Amino acid sequence: DVKVTQSSRYLVKRTGEKVFLECVQDMDHENMFWYRQDPGLGLRLIYFSYDVKMKEKGDIPEGYSVSREKKERFSLILESASTNQTSMYLCASSLTGMGSGELFFGEGSRLTVL
Amino acid sequence: AQKITQTQPGMFVQEKEAVTLDCTYDTSDQSYGLFWYKQPSSGEMIFLIYQGSYDEQNATEGRYSLNFQKARKSANLVISASQLGDSAMYFCAMREGNSGYALNFGKGTSLLVTP
Repeated sequence: DVKVTQSSRYLVKRTGEKVFLECVQDMDHENMFWYRQDPGLGLRLIYFSYDVKMKEKGDIPEGYSVSREKKERFSLILESASTNQTSMYLCASSLTGMGSGELFFGEGSRLTVL
Repeated sequence: AQKITQTQPGMFVQEKEAVTLDCTYDTSDQSYGLFWYKQPSSGEMIFLIYQGSYDEQNATEGRYSLNFQKARKSANLVISASQLGDSAMYFCAMREGNSGYALNFGKGTSLLVTP
């Protein structure tokens, strides 16, 4: 079965802390994505990566960075967390080429910044 | 500009009835893909159905069908014979030809199925 695993379901951090959100997929997918989900705003793309060590900014990259050192792992980093980064973070992966290219999502990481 | 518009924040439908969730999109690409996802209260995102811009037939997957009207740029999801378990958030999404495989999501429609 396809699996995208996010390391933490719930996190509580303080303003100014550095936060790491980890995501691992076991499907050998080339593409990986980080979205944030807020009520009434849907899902907004933060960053994505189509290959190891490659990254592309999405619609809302400010305040975030990413790392992809291995194909299966894509990390989202909040260098200095702020209260407006309180949100649900969703990681996803997809395959290049064959098929529709649908995204497979992890269960999400709910981050609260105090 | 919003690329995916879902105009219905919330919908109600009675069990066993059909319901249509609206989605319009905006793109100048000739090649694109349209997706619908379901997100139950548990939070997982479940892929439902896909329609390619060059597909001539409307996509169907079980009780789900996508009413694709290319000229009107609409991709409505039709759920037939609604079940209580269909209560969830539904998101329409689009992948454009040059987007690098990322999907652009709408704001979602909350569907409540009543007995």
